[in-house]
Amino acid sequence: AQSVTQLGSHVSVSEGALVLLRCNYSSSVPPYLFWYVQYPNQGLQLLLKYTTGATLVKGINGFEAEFKKSETSFHLTKPSAHMSDAAEYFCAVRAYSGGYQKVTFGTGTKLQVIP
Amino acid sequence: GAVVSQHPSRVICKSGTSVKIECRSLDFQATTMFWYRQFPKQSLMLMATSNEGSKATYEQGVEKDKFLINHASLTLSTLTVTSAHPEDSSFYICSAIDRGSETQYFGPGTRLLVL
Repeated sequence: AQSVTQLGSHVSVSEGALVLLRCNYSSSVPPYLFWYVQYPNQGLQLLLKYTTGATLVKGINGFEAEFKKSETSFHLTKPSAHMSDAAEYFCAVRAYSGGYQKVTFGTGTKLQVIP
Repeated sequence: GAVVSQHPSRVICKSGTSVKIECRSLDFQATTMFWYRQFPKQSLMLMATSNEGSKATYEQGVEKDKFLINHASLTLSTLTVTSAHPEDSSFYICSAIDRGSETQYFGPGTRLLVL
């Protein structure tokens, strides 16, 4: 079984401030972890992913996330928020379950950037 | 980069009719495709996992006789909403895993409105 918990359905930050979106997961097998961004009325766009290797993963648009196995976390950060970062962000976990791959999404966090 | 297309992007139909949504991986082979449903301001809900050449695996609570999934080839999966009702109105998103790179790609989504 696997699950994803995103703390905070809405996060507001000032332009230029640090962005921190939290994601915790549970998985009975080593998972792949992902962050996606969704703009209104659009599909999902991959920000970054962790599969194996280096635990600090850098993605597009200046975002990065760190896989912390001991904390079962994969929080998304960006040093300085930009107005264009306002969107909804989804954390996801992918792992094999019952012989096939299963992807589970968190409930999403809507990021608001205040000018 | 790899692209997943969905057709149609929007569809409006009358209650009781059936609607077919196509999902294609344009430049890679996908042994596994996923179908998601997203309600307004909510996360993606996995409906089923579609494996090429075998029956789809449906998530609990998803009616397999209502949401027919066919993964006919390594580049095409279809979702047919049979006898659609207004409560089936939603945003349907497909996703495909490139069997070569194991990367998951998402389609742009299909917005279904049942009148």
